[in-house]
Amino acid sequence: DSGVTQTPKHLITATGQRVTLRCSPRSGDLSVYWYQQSLDQGLQFLIHYYNGEERAKGNILERFSAQQFPDLHSELNLSSLELGDSALYFCASSAGLAGAGNTQYFGPGTRLTVL
Amino acid sequence: GNSVTQMEGPVTLSEEAFLTINCTYTATGYPSLFWYVQYPGEGLQLLLKATKADDKGSNKGFEATYRKETTSFHLEKGSVQVSDSAVYFCALSDQKSGGSYIPTFGRGTSLIVHP
Repeated sequence: DSGVTQTPKHLITATGQRVTLRCSPRSGDLSVYWYQQSLDQGLQFLIHYYNGEERAKGNILERFSAQQFPDLHSELNLSSLELGDSALYFCASSAGLAGAGNTQYFGPGTRLTVL
Repeated sequence: GNSVTQMEGPVTLSEEAFLTINCTYTATGYPSLFWYVQYPGEGLQLLLKATKADDKGSNKGFEATYRKETTSFHLEKGSVQVSDSAVYFCALSDQKSGGSYIPTFGRGTSLIVHP
């Protein structure tokens, strides 16, 4: 158990809908990272938040957004869903900025299926 | 941009065989290098890491050496067990301007160990 929790575990929805994925980092961790894992794209970094502020963006679509709240939990919002958004979404946390040696701790993931 | 290239799997071995999973990288700066492991149905977890050239990371019998001259970080284990069956991801973390680190992952290599 990494100490990172994600809800829900599974999510099935239809094209055009909007969903929210939630992540609670390990106690004391200030950084939250979001990733998308799909068979064709592998593991793609989406976005990084540190202590409530956005710090880095990766391959995140404009239809996707995220935020980190004062209690440090984070939400990833996916809107206007397409079939191709079906994937596993992971969040990870680290104590500080994932610098030279900082380890990221991954949650168990949310499996999103868009029908 | 940064990239990580891993050998394609699956790699299929018999128990007690020697394991090598190749990983090479491209980075603009001086990255830290990581190996993560993902067991079925779980999130990724750190296996080992190295933060500078010639460092060797090791854990649970696995080893990898940071080779700057060949831009490689190959994973090795002398004697694999059935319980090592998993997907292995090579990753790097490199600093972008503004102090935040962008993680880049390889596509993952599936390892299957038979009794």
